[in-house]
Amino acid sequence: QKEVEQDPGPLSVPEGAIVSLNCTYSNSAFQYFMWYRQYSRKGPELLMYTYSSGNKEDGRFTAQVDKSSKYISLFIRDSQPSDSATYLCAMSGGNAGNMLTFGGGTRLMVKP
Amino acid sequence: ETGVTQTPRHLVMGMTNKKSLKCEQHLGHNAMYWYKQSAKKPLELMFVYNFKEQTENNSVPSRFSPECPNSSHLFLHLHTLQPEDSALYLCASSPQGAEGYTFGSGTRLTVV
Repeated sequence: QKEVEQDPGPLSVPEGAIVSLNCTYSNSAFQYFMWYRQYSRKGPELLMYTYSSGNKEDGRFTAQVDKSSKYISLFIRDSQPSDSATYLCAMSGGNAGNMLTFGGGTRLMVKP
Repeated sequence: ETGVTQTPRHLVMGMTNKKSLKCEQHLGHNAMYWYKQSAKKPLELMFVYNFKEQTENNSVPSRFSPECPNSSHLFLHLHTLQPEDSALYLCASSPQGAEGYTFGSGTRLTVV
């Protein structure tokens, strides 16, 4: 079993849709949770960062962490074609310290 | 630009060649990383340097040799690579703590 599981997609949605991206994990010691966005031919860029359980909102993006279920989500409201990218979840904490463990990434396509 | 610069952006090399990848950051970060990203696979951690000292070697073959002359520069020396080593090689840096990494745009390596 992988430490972090993420549906690879691709996920195709029409412009304006609400997008839900998810990751599950097995290490209950993880405390820091991140979402990265990676455009084609670019490195990943940090999109959202949360600590422990709860929600965090930034513009059209909302990150949710449910530590009891070992499940994290990223919601994108009013999705735009410019949101088309691969989204990677990452997490750290516990014995891993500040070393990040990444999911495999979900490819998102937002169609005009 | 993210603050982490990688050169070259693209590299084609034969299996008997020797080449080097370069990474530079001026973010004041203390940790630097090399990752390998292959198609349809999660990011694979290769090496970690903290304050110029190598703290992690994730069972990487000896044909990959890292060098960290100072906390701002990181190299990956390549020698007698195999075609399966073709991938996107990403450099990242981070401060101490778990605030996430800043990635470069990567070097797209093709071994022929």
